[in-house]
Amino acid sequence: DAGITQSPRHKVTETGTPVTLRCHQTENHRYMYWYRQDPGHGLRLIHYSYGVKDTDKGEVSDGYSVSRSKTEDFLLTLESATSSQTSVYFCAISGEVQETQYFGPGTRLLVL
Amino acid sequence: AQSVSQHNHHVILSEAASLELGCNYSYGGTVNLFWYVQYPGQHLQLLLKYFSGDPLVKGIKGFEAEFIKSKFSFNLRKPSVQWSDTAEYFCAVRSNQAGTALIFGKGTTLSVSS
Repeated sequence: DAGITQSPRHKVTETGTPVTLRCHQTENHRYMYWYRQDPGHGLRLIHYSYGVKDTDKGEVSDGYSVSRSKTEDFLLTLESATSSQTSVYFCAISGEVQETQYFGPGTRLLVL
Repeated sequence: AQSVSQHNHHVILSEAASLELGCNYSYGGTVNLFWYVQYPGQHLQLLLKYFSGDPLVKGIKGFEAEFIKSKFSFNLRKPSVQWSDTAEYFCAVRSNQAGTALIFGKGTTLSVSS
């Protein structure tokens, strides 16, 4: 398995609070992604990064922000959590454009 | 926008039955196609991928998929399933609109009874 860790693995929070999820890789890969997985929707892209400090929005970016200050870390922040953001969040990495994406173990987030 | 359609939401099979999961994509240009599997409680793992060349792609655990360009399809097959194949299966296409990000189908849940 690719060296990808996510933290926390599980989190329960309240509506309106900020939440930050961390993805850490040891592969020195250039590209990093955040997806959310919801029943009946598969995985949908939230944000992605193509280098340090280079990020862009995905399909479902509203209410989320990201930062990448180091190659190995990609942070996802829910600025003010809502119940609709209850989901499983997966980080993925890839080396270059034509390479396979590898997924982290996921973070299960419950917003009450 | 690109999209991926998986025809079956839930498939139930007995062990040793043959499997075929349908996947169609919308993009007409050069595509990269993937099948991922997610076992219960685990993260996504790559089963197989198609970038170019032989349209019949073999992956891990006896799975294969055939790319049919004229039908915009990339169906997953396995001649004889096992109980351990119980999982959710996702077809994905590489986007030309979001860097190297993948667009996923909604997934197919496979339940195999022993």
